[in-house]
Amino acid sequence: EVQLLESGGGLVQPGGSLRLSCAASGFTFSSYAMSWVRQAPGKGLEWVSAISGSGGSTYYADSVKGRFTISRDNSKNTLYVQMNSLRAEDTAVYYCAKAPRAMVRGGINNYYYYYMDVWGKGTTVTVSS
Amino acid sequence: DIQMTQSPSSLSASVGDRVTITCRASQSISSYLNWYQQKPGKAPKLLIYAASSLQSGVPSRFSGSGSGTDFTLTISSLQPEDFAIYYCQQSYSTLIFTFGPGTKVDIK
Repeated sequence: EVQLLESGGGLVQPGGSLRLSCAASGFTFSSYAMSWVRQAPGKGLEWVSAISGSGGSTYYADSVKGRFTISRDNSKNTLYVQMNSLRAEDTAVYYCAKAPRAMVRGGINNYYYYYMDVWGKGTTVTVSS
Repeated sequence: DIQMTQSPSSLSASVGDRVTITCRASQSISSYLNWYQQKPGKAPKLLIYAASSLQSGVPSRFSGSGSGTDFTLTISSLQPEDFAIYYCQQSYSTLIFTFGPGTKVDIK
């Protein structure tokens, strides 16, 4: 069974740091991009960051760029996000998600459609003094 | 940056109703559009990817359509388990995503 399990959430003071982990099982972890998505209390979904299967390419939302760092250890089947300079507005449930791509052949070019097909249950981060 | 809007923000419907939710992108995103369902206290669930491809295991009463800037999620006959919040998500640029604000579907 494909599973993702987040950990590392908790209460942290503004300006503090936290590292979240996401343990993956049931699939070839290194073959898939992965992503972090968060949801503030009572709010909608916000994409945070993504990383390619090899870990060589990383992507960030503007709201976290320069403060968060996504990484992965394919030998441990684990995804991470290091969160620094935390703010009250970073308070949220943080989900990790598996991000496969579907390929559609289109003549000369191939088109790749990314989506998030498996999600963890989330871990809660609260930034407050 | 690509912005996503959804309409309506909420709707009330009865079991058996046909429900349509619209998502609009601020620029053309071809078919790079996904739909998710989220129930209270739960993680989102993928319904549709690439605008119209039904995710494995998702009931066929769910369908997606559209391309460019305008997209639609349709539930052909609303079931009790379908009351939830629905989000669209664009994936036009590689591994850069934006979610819509969500549409809450509740019981009339």
